[in-house]
Amino acid sequence: KQEVTQIPAALSVPEGENLVLNCSFTDSAIYNLQWFRQDPGKGLTSLLLIQSSQREQTSGRLNASLDKSSGRSTLYIAASQPGDSATYLCAVPLIKAAGNKLTFGGGTRVLVKP
Amino acid sequence: EAGVAQSPRYKIIEKRQSVAFWCNPISGHATLYWYQQILGQGPKLLIQFQNNGVVDDSQLPKDRFSAERLKGVDSTLKIQPAKLEDSAVYLCASSFSADLTDTQYFGPGTRLTVL
Repeated sequence: KQEVTQIPAALSVPEGENLVLNCSFTDSAIYNLQWFRQDPGKGLTSLLLIQSSQREQTSGRLNASLDKSSGRSTLYIAASQPGDSATYLCAVPLIKAAGNKLTFGGGTRVLVKP
Repeated sequence: EAGVAQSPRYKIIEKRQSVAFWCNPISGHATLYWYQQILGQGPKLLIQFQNNGVVDDSQLPKDRFSAERLKGVDSTLKIQPAKLEDSAVYLCASSFSADLTDTQYFGPGTRLTVL
């Protein structure tokens, strides 16, 4: 059974500092890994999707790395802004099950202080 | 492109009452998912539909939860009777297909409080 863990559960940084968010998974046989953002009272927005064959994926200030062998992914957010305050979740699909079933981590709640 | 729509956005009920949530997926999306997100946790898949058929409902508490997607478009999730531990945000998501490469798009969720 795949288990996904995100530590820390919460993080507070001053504006301008780089953010480093961690995600670990127990079964390295993943097809891809996805990072989502969730704002209070809103649904999830997909940020980055890394295929299992990739080492990293970049979008603007966001960079996600993937190390399948160690069961880890890291999301880097450069030069954080107050608008980056949100909960960030990682998720992997269960490739041994039918359909695109995602298993989520518990999320890291980020606060960027002005 | 319109996103995934859900209603109501908030619902407060007393335990043992029944409640229903509605989801309208993105047009053309064959796959629809219902997730339960308890405060402080990540979403947990309850049920997955492919068109109007159920792909996976292994984590749906079938003694009290039911879901349907009669015409392969809109879907409803019902809880009867509700328990205190059902307090959560219920998220609906849709994707073009159930392929692992397809992104899931999430609605804003329905926040349920059971008193």
